[in-house]
Amino acid sequence: DSGVTQTPKHLITATGQRVTLRCSPRSGDLSVYWYQQSLDQGLQFLIQYYNGEERAKGNILERFSAQQFPDLHSELNLSSLELGDSALYFCASSVGQGGAFNYGYTFGSGTRLTVV
Amino acid sequence: GENVEQHPSTLSVQEGDSAVIKCTYSDSASNYFPWYKQELGKGPQLIIDIRSNVGEKKDQRIAVTLNKTAKHFSLHITETQPEDSAVYFCAARPLYGGSQGNLIFGKGTKLSVKP
Repeated sequence: DSGVTQTPKHLITATGQRVTLRCSPRSGDLSVYWYQQSLDQGLQFLIQYYNGEERAKGNILERFSAQQFPDLHSELNLSSLELGDSALYFCASSVGQGGAFNYGYTFGSGTRLTVV
Repeated sequence: GENVEQHPSTLSVQEGDSAVIKCTYSDSASNYFPWYKQELGKGPQLIIDIRSNVGEKKDQRIAVTLNKTAKHFSLHITETQPEDSAVYFCAARPLYGGSQGNLIFGKGTKLSVKP
């Protein structure tokens, strides 16, 4: 157990629907990162939150949004789902906010999203 | 922005042999290079990392080397064992740009160690 908790582990939904993925960071970590892993694209950085505020954005679609709550858990919202959104979604956490401080990431076990 | 290329995509070795995975990065300002191991059904796990002011780092059977001039870094696993079989990802952390401070990953190498 890495200490980063992601729920649900599996999610099957239809095209056009909206889902919410949840992540609880490791105790003491203030940063949460979301990554999408698909077979041909590897791990793609989506977005980072630090202590409740958005810190950096990667290749996140406008249909996707995220937030980090006061208790530091984070949710990734995916809407108007398409078949191509099927992937593993990972959450990672770290103590610091990244950048020059080079803090390591701890990953959760991921949520496997299947859009049918 | 930063781009990380990883080779090979698959690697098969005999137990006891060495395995080498290579990565190149594009942003010369990147200063942190971790390697992650992902076993089936699990999230990536950090196995070793190196900072830009260091050329080599070892931890038991694994080592990482960094060539800043050529902008490439490599993972070396010696005396491979079947439990080393997994997907390995390299990553680089850029200091600037939209993904500033966040890890950019290679596409992974599936390592198979045959008993």
